Amino acid sequence: DADVTQTPRNRITKTGKRIMLECSQTKGHDRMYWYRQDPGLGLQLIYYSFDVKDINKGEISDGYSVSRQAQAKFSLSLESAIPNQTALYFCATSDRVFTDTQYFGPGTRLTVL
Amino acid sequence: KNEVEQSPQNLTAQEGEFITINCSYSVGISALHWLQQHPGGGIVSLFMLSSGKKKHGRLIATINIQEKHSSLHITASHPRDSAVYICAVRPNPGQGGSEKLVFGKGTKLTVNP
Repeated sequence: DADVTQTPRNRITKTGKRIMLECSQTKGHDRMYWYRQDPGLGLQLIYYSFDVKDINKGEISDGYSVSRQAQAKFSLSLESAIPNQTALYFCATSDRVFTDTQYFGPGTRLTVL
Repeated sequence: KNEVEQSPQNLTAQEGEFITINCSYSVGISALHWLQQHPGGGIVSLFMLSSGKKKHGRLIATINIQEKHSSLHITASHPRDSAVYICAVRPNPGQGGSEKLVFGKGTKLTVNP
């Protein structure tokens, strides 16, 4: 089984709808991240969390919110989706105490019409 | 201004060729990462470097901290190496925050049989 899972893997929605992307991990890492990838651009950090009570904005947090329900679960919400939020979204985890390596989920392809 | 520049953007090679992908960055860093993104979208961490050179199988990564430059080499390239290779740096604290990875736009490698 994959260490970092994301659901759904693909989602098509309409402008104005509320969308939640979910991420679960079995690696036991405290640190979790949400990234967005657009064609021709590098990955951009949306939000990150060091533990359940510590959530921080990344460089492109406007229009997004997150919830860290447990150490293993980190959800990303789009309160009112807009077309320019169409992108590939990745969740990642890391254990920076011992290593700087980030472990990525398989990605969620979101299309907002 | 993108803090991480990769070259080339696209690279096509014949099976067996020696491949070099370059990454230059403009800020002081504590670590540099090389990642591989498969055609299906999944992202895998290949290397983390803070100095010198690392080797894993046919992949070699080097970094020159003084010149702010890193290279990823693939020896005896194979069609299964076809992927997007992404360079990412972790800026030193005070230069963008120690929790933020800054990603390059990636180099798309195609290895033909």
